[in-house]
Amino acid sequence: AQSVTQLGSHVSVSEGALVLLRCNYSSSVPPYLFWYVQYPNQGLQLLLKYTSAATLVKGINGFEAEFKKSETSFHLTKPSAHMSDAAEYFCAVSDQDSSYKLIFGSGTRLLVRP
Amino acid sequence: SQTIHQWPATLVQPVGSPLSLECTVEGTSNPNLYWYRQAAGRGLQLLFYSVGIGQISSEVPQNLSASRPQDRQFILSSKKLLLSDSGFYLCACNRYNEQFFGPGTRLTVL
Repeated sequence: AQSVTQLGSHVSVSEGALVLLRCNYSSSVPPYLFWYVQYPNQGLQLLLKYTSAATLVKGINGFEAEFKKSETSFHLTKPSAHMSDAAEYFCAVSDQDSSYKLIFGSGTRLLVRP
Repeated sequence: SQTIHQWPATLVQPVGSPLSLECTVEGTSNPNLYWYRQAAGRGLQLLFYSVGIGQISSEVPQNLSASRPQDRQFILSSKKLLLSDSGFYLCACNRYNEQFFGPGTRLTVL
């Protein structure tokens, strides 16, 4: 069965510092991988996705993620944090059958200090 | 592009009362539809998904049920709510291997 592990339920960075949110997955087949962002009391917004094309994926708001098969990782990074990046971030893996169900990690709350 | 509507936005219900949450989708046809629940301080749990009208798959045993009476309508129901049903309920649809989420319904069961 597929699963996703997000290390660190809370990550705190200073404004302008590097953002690194960790995600490791478990899958018996090449996965589709996603990062979503959730602002308080809102739905989820897709940041980026990996679907077996380029291993370095660029998303919205300056975020990017690198698929590393050898490490079964898909960590999310942003070179310089902005106050508006404060939110909860979810990594997810998708079944590649017709259901396209998503299995989510437990989420990481990003805090940005002025 | 698709748009997902959910209502109500917030709901406070007593234990034992019935529930009906509605999700409708615009801008796409024959989508896969999903109901997720997000409990306070926790991740998202897939409750139900549907690949077509009248086709419902349940992911976890629970006090809830789902129905899809029309192609772009997905309903989450309960006959008698439990305290543990409180949470943030999100509807989603799938298009081009991506899931798009609605704004959610905050349910509080007292």
